[in-house]
Amino acid sequence: QVQLVQSGSELRKPGASVKVSCKASGYTFTNYAMNWVRQAPGQGLEWMGWLNTYTGKPTYAQGFTGRFVFSSDTSVRTAYLQISSLKSEDTAVYYCATGLGSYRRPGDLDYWGQGTLVTVSS
Amino acid sequence: SSELTQDPAVSVALGQTVTITCQGDSLTDYYAAWYQQKPRQAPVLLIYGKDNRPSGIPDRFSGSYSGNTASLIITGAQADDEADYYCNSRDSSGNYLFFGGGTKLTVL
Repeated sequence: QVQLVQSGSELRKPGASVKVSCKASGYTFTNYAMNWVRQAPGQGLEWMGWLNTYTGKPTYAQGFTGRFVFSSDTSVRTAYLQISSLKSEDTAVYYCATGLGSYRRPGDLDYWGQGTLVTVSS
Repeated sequence: SSELTQDPAVSVALGQTVTITCQGDSLTDYYAAWYQQKPRQAPVLLIYGKDNRPSGIPDRFSGSYSGNTASLIITGAQADDEADYYCNSRDSSGNYLFFGGGTKLTVL
């Protein structure tokens, strides 16, 4: 069955960086986009962008350029979200999600990771 | 436009029917998807395309469209349906998605 398993919660100080992983199983990793979604405490879902897992090309939504980097290691079927120069406002749950109805493009997100809480605090 | 507008909160009596709406220019050209999110859980895809449910989603959930508005209809709301509901859609390039602000559904 399709599963996306994310790495555990992280606590970082402002200015540090963090790397969240999302390990996929149950489908052909390079055939489907990996999306990243942010949810700040008590807030809604924000689509951050997606990674073309076949070409490695990332696409970032407005507001998620510069400090955010999507990458993957296809040999271990894992996608990564790295955030640098962390700020308190980066405190959020970060989800990876994929849609198996859209071949190598972002689409309806039918599989989600469990979420990774990143807390930025001094 | 990349904006989708949802009512922040809606309530429904147990067993009644409720409609949650999502308004945006993109919806005249592209379908919305609907997600349910319960506290401390990942979102779950409820409806995609014109009115399609993934396997395991009860048929009391359905979708409809009118102009630039997509609607999620819950027929015979259950206590377990109390959750946040989000719509999302895509832009014309197909490279960008965006979410509505979410609707908190209370089942009375």
